[in-house]
Amino acid sequence: QQQVKQSPQSLIVQKGGISIINCAYENTAFDYFPWYQQFPGKGPALLIAIRPDVSEKKEGRFTISFNKSAKQFSLHIMDSQPGDSATYFCAARDASGGSYIPTFGRGTSLIVHP
Amino acid sequence: DTAVSQTPKYLVTQMGNDKSIKCEQNLGHDTMYWYKQDSKKFLKIMFSYNNKELIINETVPNRFSPKSPDKAHLNLHINSLELGDSAVYFCASSPGTSSQYFGPGTRLTVL
Repeated sequence: QQQVKQSPQSLIVQKGGISIINCAYENTAFDYFPWYQQFPGKGPALLIAIRPDVSEKKEGRFTISFNKSAKQFSLHIMDSQPGDSATYFCAARDASGGSYIPTFGRGTSLIVHP
Repeated sequence: DTAVSQTPKYLVTQMGNDKSIKCEQNLGHDTMYWYKQDSKKFLKIMFSYNNKELIINETVPNRFSPKSPDKAHLNLHINSLELGDSAVYFCASSPGTSSQYFGPGTRLTVL
């Protein structure tokens, strides 16, 4: 059972363009939504995160948009650069019961062409 | 200093062998995890330890066993290795209230 659905599976963008990755969830107990960036041969690293009490969070060129009623959230990368080429994972955390169980999307492979 | 470290980085072994992967975190976090990442990049959580107690255990074969000698370490032992165990294994830690910090990964190849 896939609790966090991520799309697209792969994405090719030209330098300077906008990259958009979408995620959808069903579990209303999720209370924390991080995005991770993974470069080849490295572990995933936190990129940006949002809690459901806000609709948008921006850090530099990276923005999370969150729609609680639709149970969807997305990552926008403005002015995409070749150095942004990586795999991106959305995630959601369920803190009920105190176990902080994380659920990851299946990942999006982003390639930014120069 | 590395926040979450794993050893070894690469592990090549024969089917049927027993192997271990070590993980250490110096962040003072209460919770540590083991993930398996397959060739399609899917991250599957295997175990989570909180204050030395196993709190989740997904549908992982009992050939895999986590061992936590103290709060800073969570080692992964694998018995009777199979071809399907080939993957990249990531250790991670978390303070519990926010995100996870991942190690660099251990690429396991079973021949």
